[in-house]
Parts: sequence; C-alpha cells; structure tokens
Amino acid sequence: DAGITQSPRHKVTETGTPVTLRCHQTENHRYMYWYRQDPGHGLRLIHYSYGVKDTDKGEVSDGYSVSRSKTEDFLLTLESATSSQTSVYFCATRGGVHEQYFGPGTRLTVT
Amino acid sequence: DQQVKQNSPSLSVQEGRISILNCDYTNSMFDYFLWYKKYPAEGPTFLISISSIKDKNEDGRFTVFLNKSAKHLSLHIVPSQPGDSAVYFCAASPGGGSQGNLIFGKGTKLSVKP
Repeated sequence: DAGITQSPRHKVTETGTPVTLRCHQTENHRYMYWYRQDPGHGLRLIHYSYGVKDTDKGEVSDGYSVSRSKTEDFLLTLESATSSQTSVYFCATRGGVHEQYFGPGTRLTVT
Repeated sequence: DQQVKQNSPSLSVQEGRISILNCDYTNSMFDYFLWYKKYPAEGPTFLISISSIKDKNEDGRFTVFLNKSAKHLSLHIVPSQPGDSAVYFCAASPGGGSQGNLIFGKGTKLSVKP
C-alpha cells in the first residue's frame, strides 16, 4: 500500500465551524482523491488533484474545498460544517493507471 | 442515477463454500473494473481488477468475471474463509480523460460463517 496517513482520525465539531482534514502520502503519487462514505451511498468522490495546485470537483463537492501545495499533502476543508457532512472521509492516491490506494479514514461528526 | 450497481446489500456464506458477489454497470465506456475490500474502521484495500478486453482474471482464491454484453461482473471467492467477511465494493473507470476517477457501487457486506 502507498504510505497514506490521515489526520485527525476522529473529530467532533459544531455546526458552523471550519474543519480541515489532512492527507499525507510518502509515495510521490501524482493523483490524490477525497471521498466520503455514508450508509447506503458507498464511496462518493468529493474532489481530486492531478498535480500540485491542480484540483477539480467530484460528484459531491458542494460545501468542500481542497488545496494541494505539495505533492505529499492534500487538504480537505469544510468552510462551515453542517450536520449533513457527518461522514467518514477517505483519502486515496494513484500512482499507476487505475488502482487507487486508500488511507485509514477520518470519522467526522458535526453536532 | 447509479452507473455502478451492487444490488445485494448483504450475502451470507458458509466457510469453505463459494461466495459470488455481483455488480452491474450502465456505461459501456467503462474500460477497467476493480474490486475493493473494506474491514470496519479501515480504508478500502484493492483486491483484484480486470480490463474490459478480458473476460476473466484470477488471483489465488479470487476470480473476477466480466460479461460485457450483459454489463455485468462478478467476484468469486473460493473457498470462502471467515477472514473474508467484509464489505466489498465494485468500481469502474470511465477511461479516456477521466483522470483515473473511479465510480463505486454501494457495496455488498459478506459474512462468512464458520
């Protein structure tokens, strides 16, 4: 597996507060992705990056922004968290053609 | 609308028997398919994949079959083991200029009983 870490692993926050999740990889993979996993929905793509400072929206990008200033780090920001953003968030990277490798996840609860 | 469908939310199988997990897709432009396995509180892990130019790929106890005319793929696990109990996600790659983005099904929870 690509060396992928996510921080924090668990977070509880209040509605309206900003939250930033971090994904860090050690494999020098070009592509990085943020997904959310919810019961009954599987994995849905939020945003992805195809290089430093190159990002684009995924299927469920509303309410989220991302930044990638270094190859190894991909940040996901919730500018003003809402209860609908309570979820498990996964980061993934891709170094080859198709296979993506996932981090351990961050469980976010918005109260 | 779902482009990748896993219509069985759960499957229960006896240890030693075959587990068959199914996946249907709607987009004929998908050119690569993958299966991921996910344990609770962990990230999904890549299991096996198949290109659209093939109809079968085998890796140990795991075999993926692709039927392009039916837009259907299946994952066979033989023999099933209790450690195979997990949620299995099917994913498809649209190819072309998709930036390698994958489209996932909702998952099937497999329980292998001793």
